[in-house]
Amino acid sequence: EDKVVQSPLSLVVHEGDTVTLNCSYEVTNFRSLLWYKQEKKAPTFLFMLTSSGIEKKSGRLSSILDKKELFSILNITATQTGDSAVYLCAVWDGGSQGNLIFGKGTKLSVKP
Amino acid sequence: IAGITQAPTSQILAAGRRMTLRCTQDMRHNAMYWYRQDLGLGLRLIHYSNTAGTTGKGEVPDGYSVSRANTDDFPLTLASAVPSQTSVYFCASSDSADRGMNEQFFGPGTRLTVL
Repeated sequence: EDKVVQSPLSLVVHEGDTVTLNCSYEVTNFRSLLWYKQEKKAPTFLFMLTSSGIEKKSGRLSSILDKKELFSILNITATQTGDSAVYLCAVWDGGSQGNLIFGKGTKLSVKP
Repeated sequence: IAGITQAPTSQILAAGRRMTLRCTQDMRHNAMYWYRQDLGLGLRLIHYSNTAGTTGKGEVPDGYSVSRANTDDFPLTLASAVPSQTSVYFCASSDSADRGMNEQFFGPGTRLTVL
């Protein structure tokens, strides 16, 4: 059965800390891996990763994919209280249903 | 440009009642999806539509139905609501030109409580 597992489930840090969020996956036919940030309402897109070893970067956030070991990490440097959110990892499975499979998310709380 | 809109924002519903959650997108995306999000279970796919006129079942389709009469609209119907359908419902869409290589855009969600 396809699955996407995120760790840790929750994390509390202080402003200025660096955090690493993990996502491992097992899918039938991997197409791509996506990271989303969810604050109060709808998930908002952060990154899409398709190739191993190529880092995607946006400001203080960066992400990389390892297709051999079947995982991805999302790094946030110099965290701010505005980074507090649930971070969702999802994998496009090109198998029979061809749908986006979500992990349960990591809840990040950044304290001032 | 609104992106994806959902209605209502929230709803309290008596068990046994019929309810339709509305979703409209203005991005001309071919693919649309309905998810429910529950604490501890994450986002789970209910139904999807690859293009107007077609629909498919996701991970948790029981008790729900959808239709896709045109590109823009993808309503989700609960024929006879039950308390276990209390959840936050998200509609999403993606450009299916190359499905699996496109991000999904999410609507603001509908919080549904079934009593």
